Amino acid sequence: SQQGEEDPQALSIQEGENATMNCSYKTSINNLQWYRQNSGRGLVHLILIRSNEREKHSGRLRVTLDTSKKSSSLLITASRAADTASYFCATVLGNDMRFGAGTRLTVKP
Amino acid sequence: DTAVSQTPKYLVTQMGNDKSIKCEQNLGHDTMYWYKQDSKKFLKIMFSYNNKELIINETVPNRFSPKSPDKAHLNLHINSLELGDSAVYFCASSHGTSWPGELFFGEGSRLTVL
Repeated sequence: SQQGEEDPQALSIQEGENATMNCSYKTSINNLQWYRQNSGRGLVHLILIRSNEREKHSGRLRVTLDTSKKSSSLLITASRAADTASYFCATVLGNDMRFGAGTRLTVKP
Repeated sequence: DTAVSQTPKYLVTQMGNDKSIKCEQNLGHDTMYWYKQDSKKFLKIMFSYNNKELIINETVPNRFSPKSPDKAHLNLHINSLELGDSAVYFCASSHGTSWPGELFFGEGSRLTVL
């Protein structure tokens, strides 16, 4: 069964704007990860945030985690057309990793 | 060199046939996975193996049988294919089992059952 639920399902922005995607989940987690999937390709790991962390940065990516609200957000700053892809959150508990349904991001040049 | 490679990339077959998808990773990882992604992009775990031992086996029809000859390979065999089996199947690997870190995915195998 799915664990995370991404919101929105689809997001369309102009190049240069920021994109924010949210992920909500239902159970406890050990860590939460974000992945990117280009059309017709496999998923690529972006960032991992542990349950005792609240914020993490990687380049233009910023991830936050609020375990009390069971939610996470992925912020992509200064978006580029090349950021167009689907973005998935994945929750990890023990040896179990569950993915959400993803947010489809379109960045218009 | 491709880290996680799976073959074939595309597979078109008739209902009732038996087919296999192969996966190999050259990362030295201990754990390998099979995921199924449907037309709505839901990604669902099917199986997970650690050092050739099955550790996750979701509610998957027993027509699906994973085989791990060694820790670098995890193949998926599907018997008596049905229309609903049409999907993209992804193989992935990770370094450990406890609290999996980064998963490395293959490029996917798109299965179409006619």
